[in-house]
Amino acid sequence: DVKVTQSSRYLVKRTGEKVFLECVQDMDHENMFWYRQDPGLGLRLIYFSYDVKMKEKGDIPEGYSVSREKKERFSLILESASTSQTSMYLCASSFAAGRNTGELFFGEGSRLTVL
Amino acid sequence: RKEVEQDPGPFNVPEGATVAFNCTYSNSASQSFFWYRQDCRKEPKLLMSVYSSGNEDGRFTAQLNRASQYISLLIRDSKLSDSATYLCVVNPRNAGNMLTFGGGTRLMVKP
Repeated sequence: DVKVTQSSRYLVKRTGEKVFLECVQDMDHENMFWYRQDPGLGLRLIYFSYDVKMKEKGDIPEGYSVSREKKERFSLILESASTSQTSMYLCASSFAAGRNTGELFFGEGSRLTVL
Repeated sequence: RKEVEQDPGPFNVPEGATVAFNCTYSNSASQSFFWYRQDCRKEPKLLMSVYSSGNEDGRFTAQLNRASQYISLLIRDSKLSDSATYLCVVNPRNAGNMLTFGGGTRLMVKP
């Protein structure tokens, strides 16, 4: 079974703190994604990576950055957390186009609260 | 206008009922369509792909209407375990990678 593991299920941070969310997948997937999910807004794509050191902005990249130094690991960074970034963060992975059936495999999510 | 729109519900139905959800999408060039299921406090998981010719998997039937730009999901003989949020998902750029999710339709099946 595909396993996407997110490092923290629940985090509480203060405004202005730097926050790291880590995600690891074990299926040798080329693509990795970070989404946030908010009530009434659904899942919105923050950043996407299709290869090591490669990244593309999603729909809401402002206030976030990402890092992909190894194929299996994709990190989301909040340089200076704000209360508007309180949300559920979901990491996902998939095969590259060509082998991609459209299925994303998600981690269990990281619920971040910024006070 | 949102790229993918769904009625948030909730749809409250008794066990054994047939229930249908629709989803509309705005980009007429979209090529790939999917339904995902998300249980409460869990991650989304692929339920089924939606093909131009329709797709059936047991009690679940998905259909695509390109002319009207909507996708439907029909659930027959509802079970308690079908209670979940159903997410309509579209690939609006046909890039193979970037999926756009609807806000989800919540279904509650009651005894």
